[in-house]
Amino acid sequence: DGGITQSPKYLFRKEGQNVTLSCEQNLNHDAMYWYRQDPGQGLRLIYYSQIVNDFQKGDIAEGYSVSREKKESFPLTVTSAQKNPTAFYLCASTGQGYQPQHFGDGTRLSIL
Amino acid sequence: AQSVTQLGSHVSVSEGALVLLRCNYSSSVPPYLFWYVQYPNQGLQLLLKYTSAATLVKGINGFEAEFKKSETSFHLTKPSAHMSDAAEYFCAVSESGGSNYKLTFGKGTLLTVNP
Repeated sequence: DGGITQSPKYLFRKEGQNVTLSCEQNLNHDAMYWYRQDPGQGLRLIYYSQIVNDFQKGDIAEGYSVSREKKESFPLTVTSAQKNPTAFYLCASTGQGYQPQHFGDGTRLSIL
Repeated sequence: AQSVTQLGSHVSVSEGALVLLRCNYSSSVPPYLFWYVQYPNQGLQLLLKYTSAATLVKGINGFEAEFKKSETSFHLTKPSAHMSDAAEYFCAVSESGGSNYKLTFGKGTLLTVNP
């Protein structure tokens, strides 16, 4: 079945450490997105990419980095510059036009 | 800039009662509107979408929503709540005609269904 796979499901970060969250899709979607979810805050857009080797900052990009070397993959790195990384991170993708975004099951990041 | 307001961060209903979750949007161009549902520790699942066709949109699990341009609203309803409807619901808007397809989400409404 086609879908979006996020890994790991749970991740712990130590002080000063960078961590990378994986997002892979086999839906042949062009666009991919990373969101951060905090209780009562809804979803906030971190980065998005519409084509390979190109990506744009969302509303809260500071302290995060991404790459899009393959159509299927859009990893997110939470850097040590992100001082409050504890959150639920969701990856999404969508096809051409205004199709609904499809979501992965998320990665919960916590501080050790 | 587009925005979404969901009135009521928490709604509680009895099983079998009407479910009404409110969503108002702001958009400078005709919008596309979506409702998503999220169960604990899971991603979002699309319930329904409005993309400028019929103003009454039917979705999965018996939910529907009506687009009212004059009220800039897109409220979600279900005639009879079921225990399995307990979840968090998000309304989202995207501006049509733009070159960058981005969704703006509301802050969510947690639905509790009491037996």
